[in-house]
Amino acid sequence: KAGVTQTPRYLIKTRGQQVTLSCSPISGHRSVSWYQQTPGQGLQFLFEYFSETQRNKGNFPGRFSGRQFSNSRSEMNVSTLELGDSALYLCASSLDRGTQETQYFGPGTRLLVL
Amino acid sequence: GENVEQHPSTLSVQEGDSAVIKCTYSDSASNYFPWYKQELGKGPQLIIDIRSNVGEKKDQRIAVTLNKTAKHFSLHITETQPEDSAVYFCAASKGFQKLVFGTGTRLLVSP
Repeated sequence: KAGVTQTPRYLIKTRGQQVTLSCSPISGHRSVSWYQQTPGQGLQFLFEYFSETQRNKGNFPGRFSGRQFSNSRSEMNVSTLELGDSALYLCASSLDRGTQETQYFGPGTRLLVL
Repeated sequence: GENVEQHPSTLSVQEGDSAVIKCTYSDSASNYFPWYKQELGKGPQLIIDIRSNVGEKKDQRIAVTLNKTAKHFSLHITETQPEDSAVYFCAASKGFQKLVFGTGTRLLVSP
C-alpha cells in the first residue's frame, strides 16, 4: 500500500506570495493532519481534516488554511508569506475509527521564503 | 494546553549499548503516546506507541514504558546499531488526531 505522498517536495517563494501544498493520504485513511516543523519551534500541529471538515485547529494565524476533498486528499494554503513561514510542512493520515489512531507521515514539503 | 518535555536533547552511545529517552507530559487527559524516528530528509516514522491502559509495550529491540501517575513515558532501545542514529520524537495526544510533540533527541550510535 502506498504511503502518504506530498507535493511538491521543495518550494521557494518570496515574502507576500501565497503557496498551496498538497497531500494524498494512505488509501482508506479519512483523517489528514498538517504539522509545521522548524528548528526553533519543533513540530507543531496546524489543523486536522476529516470528511471534508476541519475538526481541530492549532495556534496558527488565519493566513494558514486548508481543505479536504471528497477523496480525502488535502491541501493547505499559506497566504502573505513571511520569512518565518520557512519550514518543513508535514502531512499525516490516519484511519480514525473513533479513537486516537496511528498517524503516518509523508516526506514533507520544504518551503523556503526569501 | 498539553506540554511535552523530552530529555536528553542529544545522546551518544556505542554500538551494542542501550539508549533511553524520557518524556513527561502535563495533561492527565492524554491517553496515547507514540514515538517517531526521523532521518535526515524524511518525515517522522512511527516506531512504537502505547495507550494509557497499558504500562509497557515491547517490539524486538524497542520498548516503551508509561507511568500515568508521574506522567512519564520512556523509550528504550537495546543493542543499538549505527542505523538507529536519527532524531527521535515523543508525542502525546488526548484524541482527535492532534499530537503534541517533544523537542526531539538526536541519537548517535558509534560503531
